Amino acid sequence: AQSVTQLGSHVSVSEGALVLLRCNYSSSVPPYLFWYVQYPNQGLQLLLKYTSAATLVKGINGFEAEFKKSETSFHLTKPSAHMSDAAEYFCAVSHQGAQKLVFGQGTRLTINP
Amino acid sequence: ETGVTQTPRHLVMGMTNKKSLKCEQHLGHNAMYWYKQSAKKPLELMFVYSLEERVENNSVPSRFSPECPNSSHLFLHLHTLQPEDSALYLCASSQETADSGNTIYFGEGSWLTVV
Repeated sequence: AQSVTQLGSHVSVSEGALVLLRCNYSSSVPPYLFWYVQYPNQGLQLLLKYTSAATLVKGINGFEAEFKKSETSFHLTKPSAHMSDAAEYFCAVSHQGAQKLVFGQGTRLTINP
Repeated sequence: ETGVTQTPRHLVMGMTNKKSLKCEQHLGHNAMYWYKQSAKKPLELMFVYSLEERVENNSVPSRFSPECPNSSHLFLHLHTLQPEDSALYLCASSQETADSGNTIYFGEGSWLTVV
């Protein structure tokens, strides 16, 4: 069975600082990995995804993530945080033949002025 | 606008009521999903439909009854719910199921409060 662990349910950074949201996965087969963002009172929106092409994936709003098989990680980063980045972020995993996407518990990102 | 529209956005219902949540996708997708999002819990997949056939039912209580009349519409019929069923219910769709890394597109959700 696949699973995702997001380290830290709440992360707080200053505006302009580096954003790092951690995600580790467990999968017995090559995974597909996703990061979604949820702004208040909205549904989830795809930030980026890894599907076995380049290991460094660039997404929307300046975010990127790197797939590291040896570390079973897919951490999300952004060099400089903006106030508008405040939201909840979800890491998710699936694989070829999967019927569903398995989500982590989410990380709430707060940006301090 | 994600192409997945949910109505109503907010619903308050008594435990003896019967109500329905509606979802419509305008993306030409073949798979549709219902997720439940509660405070302090991960997103829970409830149902998956592929080409109008239910392919997954994640041990959801029978007081939740899905219906997929065609590939563009998905309903969640609700009856005799409990207060702990209060949550955000998210509808989503994708080209196929999660196979091959298809992106899942979410609606904005329906906030359900059971009183």
